[in-house]
Amino acid sequence: DTGVSQNPRHKITKRGQNVTFRCDPISEHNRLYWYRQTLGQGPEFLTYFQNEAQLEKSRLLSDRFSAERPKGSFSTLEIQRTEQGDSAMYLCASSLYGSNTEAFFGQGTRLTVV
Amino acid sequence: KQEVTQIPAALSVPEGENLVLNCSFTDSAIYNLQWFRQDPGKGLTSLLLIQSSQREQTSGRLNASLDKSSGRSTLYIAASQPGDSATYLCAVLYNNNDMRFGAGTRLTVKP
Repeated sequence: DTGVSQNPRHKITKRGQNVTFRCDPISEHNRLYWYRQTLGQGPEFLTYFQNEAQLEKSRLLSDRFSAERPKGSFSTLEIQRTEQGDSAMYLCASSLYGSNTEAFFGQGTRLTVV
Repeated sequence: KQEVTQIPAALSVPEGENLVLNCSFTDSAIYNLQWFRQDPGKGLTSLLLIQSSQREQTSGRLNASLDKSSGRSTLYIAASQPGDSATYLCAVLYNNNDMRFGAGTRLTVKP
């Protein structure tokens, strides 16, 4: 297993277009997190899955954002009608359920909305 | 409100110095605290995980401590090297399974 994988690594899109990102977690990990990170800031929590259940969503996740994790494996994050303010690095992390487990991050998807 | 704060925001030291990075959090109901390293334009690399019942963890030149009652953690880096230059982030996993990050400390180690 090579760790958490995110695709694509980079995405440039025109304002108003829809984009979808994919995250493949470490295979046995049942927790999956999505974060957004802008330059000079720490990652901001977007949403969290326990297996296939989406347990929490941040208020940052407007109605243009949706995330899924069918069958509790890979996850997708879709942004509809992109805006320039959506330009950021989108990070995915996975971990095992429990208090003593590390979270591992992918390399992120950098979105630029022009 | 579950906030995580890191001080300083940036730090520049000469090679060989020992240094301390600070992380504070407002809610003591935590599962664990994790320190990460992030290089520019890259994802996060896990450095150390401290469970809520632990006081410290060590890995090589890194030592992280946790004082849950006061809501503080420190990351100690011994004998710093230019390769240590990066942004260091602390993340707190709260009991509601929400993992929150500080804004990070940007470290520069000068040769």
